[in-house]
Amino acid sequence: DGGITQSPKYLFRKEGQNVTLSCEQNLNHDAMYWYRQDPGQGLRLIYYSQIVNDFQKGDIAEGYSVSREKKESFPLTVTSAQKNPTAFYLCASTTGVGNSPLHFGNGTRLTVT
Amino acid sequence: QQPVQSPQAVILREGEDAVINCSSSKALYSVHWYRQKHGEAPVFLMILLKGGEQKGHDKISASFNEKKQQSSLYLTASQLSYSGTYFCGTEPPGTYKYIFGTGTRLKVLA
Repeated sequence: DGGITQSPKYLFRKEGQNVTLSCEQNLNHDAMYWYRQDPGQGLRLIYYSQIVNDFQKGDIAEGYSVSREKKESFPLTVTSAQKNPTAFYLCASTTGVGNSPLHFGNGTRLTVT
Repeated sequence: QQPVQSPQAVILREGEDAVINCSSSKALYSVHWYRQKHGEAPVFLMILLKGGEQKGHDKISASFNEKKQQSSLYLTASQLSYSGTYFCGTEPPGTYKYIFGTGTRLKVLA
């Protein structure tokens, strides 16, 4: 079955370290997204990409970086410049055509101490 | 820019009805509705398109008022499984920048 895989499910890091969250999809979707969700809060857009080798900043891109070298993969790096990195991170994708909804991975819960 | 949802939270008894609204300061051309259970990813419920067409697959209905730039989600005869946080999602035309509303927490009690 096609889907989006995020790994790992839980991630623990020390403050000051960069960490990369994985997102892989086999849905053949063109567009991919990263969202951040804090406890009891909504989904805030970090970065998004419509095609390979192209991506745009979302509303809270500071302290994060991404790459889109392959259609299937859209990894997110949380850098040490991110002030409060502890959060639930969700990756999503869509065909980008015909008002298609987003499909989500199961998320990665990052804890930085 | 973020669509505003109302109410922020609602508590129901099983069998009661609820309405969740999603209002945007910009024109809406399509709206998606999602439900998120605690600790899980959001799940797509329904799409509302300009012109009133709706597509969904659950016992939940919705409406889309282009003039008011608002969409409403109707949950009738609520079940315990309806509990969760509901989000509307939309993409301003030509941007690919998909954003979500502020969310509505719904709890159904037995």
